[in-house]
Amino acid sequence: NAGVTQTPKFQVLKTGQSMTLQCAQDMNHEYMSWYRQDPGMGLRLIHYSVGAGITDQGEVPNGYNVSRSTTEDFPLRLLSAAPSQTSVYFCASSYRGSGANVLTFGAGSRLTVL
Amino acid sequence: AQKVTQAQTEISVVEKEDVTLDCVYETRDTTYYLFWYKQPPSGELVFLIRRNSFDEQNEISGRYSWNFQKSTSSFNFTITASQVVDSAVYFCALSMEAAGNKLTFGGGTRVLVKP
Repeated sequence: NAGVTQTPKFQVLKTGQSMTLQCAQDMNHEYMSWYRQDPGMGLRLIHYSVGAGITDQGEVPNGYNVSRSTTEDFPLRLLSAAPSQTSVYFCASSYRGSGANVLTFGAGSRLTVL
Repeated sequence: AQKVTQAQTEISVVEKEDVTLDCVYETRDTTYYLFWYKQPPSGELVFLIRRNSFDEQNEISGRYSWNFQKSTSSFNFTITASQVVDSAVYFCALSMEAAGNKLTFGGGTRVLVKP
């Protein structure tokens, strides 16, 4: 089993460009989420989804869009990249339910916006 | 609102020393869950432990141990007889029963174990 797969691992963008970070999981998890990691700030929740067709905002959603058309995939879109979006992005998944479920994280995607 | 504070940004120790990482949390919920994750230099996030708010028993797993104290809202992590492979960033995180699987992370503590 691959677990949570993120692509690309590295990406450099110019300000104003758009791109999509891909996330796929093969564990039949209902819950998927995106976090960004910045130095000294830990990980912060961007968007999450509790199932196909259902998404919601996290703590830092501005500048990002998501959709969930299938259980397996949860892409994160940057419509017009800004230098403030330079970060490491992690996708995570788990079974739906209480806050007790352990998140499985992808390997991360490092994005640099020039 | 919930919050997790890891006051130590970086700790440097010599191999075989013990190291304790502090984690203080804030929440109004009575049912919540606390986690520790490890992020080695390779960058992935590795789950270490989950603890619910009704279980204050301390836990030991090999060289790792955790001390949960509701009275002080702390969930501290100790590495005994540290090894170079313990060098990593360690994150404490909190989730609430009502909030599903959304985690609130602390800022992380970087541990450097020198040989």
